[in-house]
Parts: sequence; C-alpha cells; structure tokens
Amino acid sequence: DQQVKQNSPSLSVQEGRISILNCDYTNSMFDYFLWYKKYPAEGPTFLISISSIKDKNEDGRFTVFLNKSAKHLSLHIVPSQPGDSAVYFCAASASGNTGKLIFGQGTTLQVKP
Amino acid sequence: NAGVTQTPKFQVLKTGQSMTLQCAQDMNHEYMSWYRQDPGMGLRLIHYSVGAGITDQGEVPNGYNVSRSTTEDFPLRLLSAAPSQTSVYFCASSYRGAAGNTIYFGEGSWLTVV
Repeated sequence: DQQVKQNSPSLSVQEGRISILNCDYTNSMFDYFLWYKKYPAEGPTFLISISSIKDKNEDGRFTVFLNKSAKHLSLHIVPSQPGDSAVYFCAASASGNTGKLIFGQGTTLQVKP
Repeated sequence: NAGVTQTPKFQVLKTGQSMTLQCAQDMNHEYMSWYRQDPGMGLRLIHYSVGAGITDQGEVPNGYNVSRSTTEDFPLRLLSAAPSQTSVYFCASSYRGAAGNTIYFGEGSWLTVV
C-alpha cells in the first residue's frame, strides 16, 4: 500500500514558467513533509519542507503548499530554470521520526529552454 | 552529502552470495536508515534505527539484516543475494527532531546481483 503517491511520472515546462509537482498521502499520522531533488548517480538533495501546523512554506523560488483535509501537498517552482531538470521526490514522516521517511515514486521534471 | 560515507560504491554479486554494505556517519546522529531506489518506485525504506542497539523494519525489509552496535555505524547485510535486490542503496542519518536540511544522505551504493 503506497502511503505517499506522486501520480505524475513526468512533467515538462518552458523556462520561466511555473512548475507544479503534486503529492498525495494516505496516512493521517504524517506530520512533516519534505521535497527532495535528485540527479542521476547522486544522493537526494533536500529542497524544502513543511510541518503539518502550516499550510505554506516559501524558500526563494520554491513554495510548498499543504492541504491537510485533502491529504495533498504541492511544490511550486517559479520561475522554472533548465537547471531544475531532475527527479523530484516528496517524502513524509510521523512524530518527528526523520529516520523513517516514506517517499513517493518521484516526478521527472524537464525544463525546456 | 557530507558526513555519511557508504562503501562500496559499486558491487556485483552472484545469486546466493552474501555481502555487507557499510554506512558510517561522524555527526553523532541518533537516526540512521537504509533505502533502496528502483525505477518507478522511488526510495523505499528497508530498515531504520533510532539509536545504538535499536533497529526496526521499514517497508521492504525481507532479505536484509541490520544491526546498530555503535552510534556511528549502520551496516546492511544481504544474507543470500537475489536478482530482485539489484538496486541503488542509500544510507541516511539525522538527529532526533531534525529539520529536512539536516537529514544527510550518502552518495549511494550500486549493487548488481547476477
């Protein structure tokens, strides 16, 4: 049973436009959510996170939105740049146990110049 | 990926062989974890530990064994390798209550079982 789902395997956007990556979860015990970026042959790189007590968190070009009632979060990248092309994973944890992250399947983002 | 060291980087095993993937961190983190990454599956949690002497199963623990005798080390053992264990393995560490930017991943270990 997939507790964290990213239903879009891939996304293609033009440089300068907005990229929106989506993630759904089923476990109501999750209280901390993260987004990671991953390039081939490298470990995941942390992008941004959000606690369940918030509904929005911004960091530069990256904003994460959390809709707890819908068990849905999204990552907005504005403006998108070609260097943003990578695989993006959302992840969730419960009760502050960051040793137990549950990841989604990933979305491959391609930003075209 | 500073502070989490995984060895070996690449390994080819024959079916039925055993081996250990090593993971070490020098940040005195309580939490350590092992994940595997497969195409279309994301990263899946194999085993994790919240401190020395304490381990627990993740999403896909079968065929793997772990121990945590020290805070620094968290080896992952494949008891009898199977082709289904061909994957990329990542080790991670963090402290209790860590924010996302203080969860550290290793660079990965590529394992092929033939």
